[in-house]
Amino acid sequence: RKEVEQDPGPFNVPEGATVAFNCTYSNSASQSFFWYRQDCRKEPKLLMSVYSSGNEDGRFTAQLNRASQYISLLIRDSKLSDSATYLCVGYFGNEKLTFGTGTRLTIIP
Amino acid sequence: GAVVSQHPSWVICKSGTSVKIECRSLDFQATTMFWYRQFPKQSLMLMATSNEGSKATYEQGVEKDKFLINHASLTLSTLTVTSAHPEDSSFYICSARGGEGETQYFGPGTRLLVL
Repeated sequence: RKEVEQDPGPFNVPEGATVAFNCTYSNSASQSFFWYRQDCRKEPKLLMSVYSSGNEDGRFTAQLNRASQYISLLIRDSKLSDSATYLCVGYFGNEKLTFGTGTRLTIIP
Repeated sequence: GAVVSQHPSWVICKSGTSVKIECRSLDFQATTMFWYRQFPKQSLMLMATSNEGSKATYEQGVEKDKFLINHASLTLSTLTVTSAHPEDSSFYICSARGGEGETQYFGPGTRLLVL
């Protein structure tokens, strides 16, 4: 089983809608999680860190559920510019980031 | 955020040649740099971790003699793909970490196509 698993999608969502993705992890000795965004043929860019208490950054809300071992990302009022692949990333205390395969999101006008 | 550059951004080469990719941290000293590879529609896979002045630590299945990593200074790491073959064609991305904490800053990546 992969350490970090995501539904690859694609998710095709109309502009203005709310969309949510989950990511599950298998290593309970996790320390931190992040959501990265990767545009086509570009490098990943940090979107936000994920905290157990939940954190919000504008239209984006991230949540970590340690008991069920999943991370979520909610995007409200989606924009065309939100179209990208969203990568769930875990840091398990071994200096390395572990990437999920990514969830592809397309916002439709 | 911190800036990491990679050079070149694109490489097309013949099978059997060696290709060197540079990764530079432009506004901070990178104690640790990471090299990833990403095939189409797949996730980033860590190839190796390098610390300045010491040998790189390679992930399982990555041939250290084929992918030579040098981290000679706090701002520069290089990855050399030796005797490249078509199956080495991929998107190579480096990242750099400045100090404590998990934040890694990614370079823009290098697309390698081996004919």
